[in-house]
This record gives sequence, structure tokens and C-alpha cells, in this order.
Amino acid sequence: DSGVTQTPKHLITATGQRVTLRCSPRSGDLSVYWYQQSLDQGLQFLIHYYNGEERAKGNILERFSAQQFPDLHSELNLSSLELGDSALYFCASSVAERQTSQETQYFGPGTRLLVL
Amino acid sequence: EDKVVQSPLSLVVHEGDTVTLNCSYEVTNFRSLLWYKQEKKAPTFLFMLTSSGIEKKSGRLSSILDKKELFSILNITATQTGDSAIYLCAVLIYTYKYIFGTGTRLKVLA
Repeated sequence: DSGVTQTPKHLITATGQRVTLRCSPRSGDLSVYWYQQSLDQGLQFLIHYYNGEERAKGNILERFSAQQFPDLHSELNLSSLELGDSALYFCASSVAERQTSQETQYFGPGTRLLVL
Repeated sequence: EDKVVQSPLSLVVHEGDTVTLNCSYEVTNFRSLLWYKQEKKAPTFLFMLTSSGIEKKSGRLSSILDKKELFSILNITATQTGDSAIYLCAVLIYTYKYIFGTGTRLKVLA
């Protein structure tokens, strides 16, 4: 158990819908990262927040948005869902703003999203 | 376009064998290279390499980076069945974006 929690574990929804994935980082961690893992595209970095502010953006679609709240939990909002959005969505956390070789990034168990 | 390529895609070995996993990259503004192990679910962080030629070691695992030839290797000696996993390589670039390879699936047979 990494100490990072994600809810829900599984989510089944229909095309066109909107969903919210939630992540609670490890106690004391200020950085939250979101990743998407699909069978055809592998693991992709979406976005990184540090202490409530966006720090880096990866291949995140415009239909997706994220935020980190004052209590440091984060939410990833996915809207106008398409079949291709079906994937495992991971959240990870770490202490510092920038990952260093001395610092591990801890991954949560993931949310499996299935869009029908 | 930034790219990270891992080879081989998959590998089957017997316990006790030594394996070498490869990761090559073509990116603008390289910052660091990272290795992760992914078993059933979430990845776990193994190493972060920033400087060329300095080996990082953790038990039977070691890794080294060559910034001139733009690649890294991950060695696992005396493999065990518990090493069976997908090994992911990622490059962190100066915009703090992570670019992942597709991974190498390693299976270690008893």
C-alpha cells in the first residue's frame, strides 16, 4: 500500500458523459501527478500539480481538466467521453515540487474507466 | 517529436539468469531518465538517472545512463520469479513533462 488513495476503483459510463476521478496523496506530499495507461498507448503523463498550482502539462486533452484543492487532494475531470478514453488512470504523489533521484514518486492503485 | 523506445518488448528467462533491458530516447531538453517496475497494478519507482556514466544500484538491480549515445540500460542479475513485471522507462524533459516508453515485459520462469 503506497498511501495514495484513488476513488472510485472502477467506473463504467457511456460516451458523451462526464466523470470525476479523485486522488488523495500520501500524508505530507504536496505534488500530485496524473497518468493515463491504455493498451495501445502505454503510460502517458497528463498533468502535475504542486501545492494547488499546475506545474507541468503533458498530453492532456482539452476535454480533460484537473485541480488540486487546499487539502491537497486532486480531481481529474473527464468530459464528453469517447470510447478511446477507456483506460487505467493513475495518480501519484511526492513530497517536493520537482522529482529528484532521492525522492520516490508513489503511485495509487488506479481507477479503471470503461466507456461504452 | 519526443520519443522513448524500449527493447526488447518482451523477454522470457529462467531464474538465475541476468537480463539487460534497453531504453533509448530522442527528446529535446533532456533532464533525467527514470525506471519503474509495474507488476499487477501501479508502477513503483526504481531509479532516476541524471548524469552519464554513474551507475545506480539497488540490490540485484543496476542502471546506467549514456547521454552521448542517448540510452540507458537496466540490469537485473540472478533473476527471481518476483522480478516478473513490466519495466517502464521514462524521460523527464525541461518542461517537467514525462515521456514514457511502451515498456519491456519480463517473465522469469522457475
